[in-house]
Amino acid sequence: GQNIDQPTEMTATEGAIVQINCTYQTSGFNGLFWYQQHAGEAPTFLSYNVLDGLEEKGRFSSFLSRSKGYSYLLLKELQMKDSASYLCAVRPYNTDKLIFGTGTRLQVFP
Amino acid sequence: DSGVTQTPKHLITATGQRVTLRCSPRSGDLSVYWYQQSLDQGLQFLIQYYNGEERAKGNILERFSAQQFPDLHSELNLSSLELGDSALYFCASSAPGQHYGYTFGSGTRLTVV
Repeated sequence: GQNIDQPTEMTATEGAIVQINCTYQTSGFNGLFWYQQHAGEAPTFLSYNVLDGLEEKGRFSSFLSRSKGYSYLLLKELQMKDSASYLCAVRPYNTDKLIFGTGTRLQVFP
Repeated sequence: DSGVTQTPKHLITATGQRVTLRCSPRSGDLSVYWYQQSLDQGLQFLIQYYNGEERAKGNILERFSAQQFPDLHSELNLSSLELGDSALYFCASSAPGQHYGYTFGSGTRLTVV
């Protein structure tokens, strides 16, 4: 099975940098995803990692260490609109489905 | 607009009733996934269909069922509804092998009273 852990809540200040961690235990692994979800809205894709290392996309970066079962999402130059939940999801080996963690609710303050 | 269409957006119904949620995937996507998101809970995987066939099953109750039709739209049927079934129900679709996971619909908010 899969077990995915993320902090429940985080706060940060506009303009700052925040790192959201995700640890997972899975019997097989075929990729890790990060999604952003504003309250009451659909999750939207942010990033995908399948190999170890850092993937950078604008203000957002995602890191994966497969040997450690660990990922983080790094958000730079925080804006008020970044206040949302950030969902870590694992795709088990040989499947298409995604298993989601419970998400980290980020609040950005002025 | 993500390209994944879910109807209705909101649904209020009484306990014991049956409802049907509908999802049309993005053009060209063959897979449809259903997820349930209760208050303060993560997205719980319910079921996946691929080109009309059930591909994977998650924590779906026996009171719930789904199908995917030849035109690839999917329906999720929820019966004998209980208060605890109140949640956001999301549908998502994907194309084979794509590396950005799913595209989600805007969801159906079900309230059971």
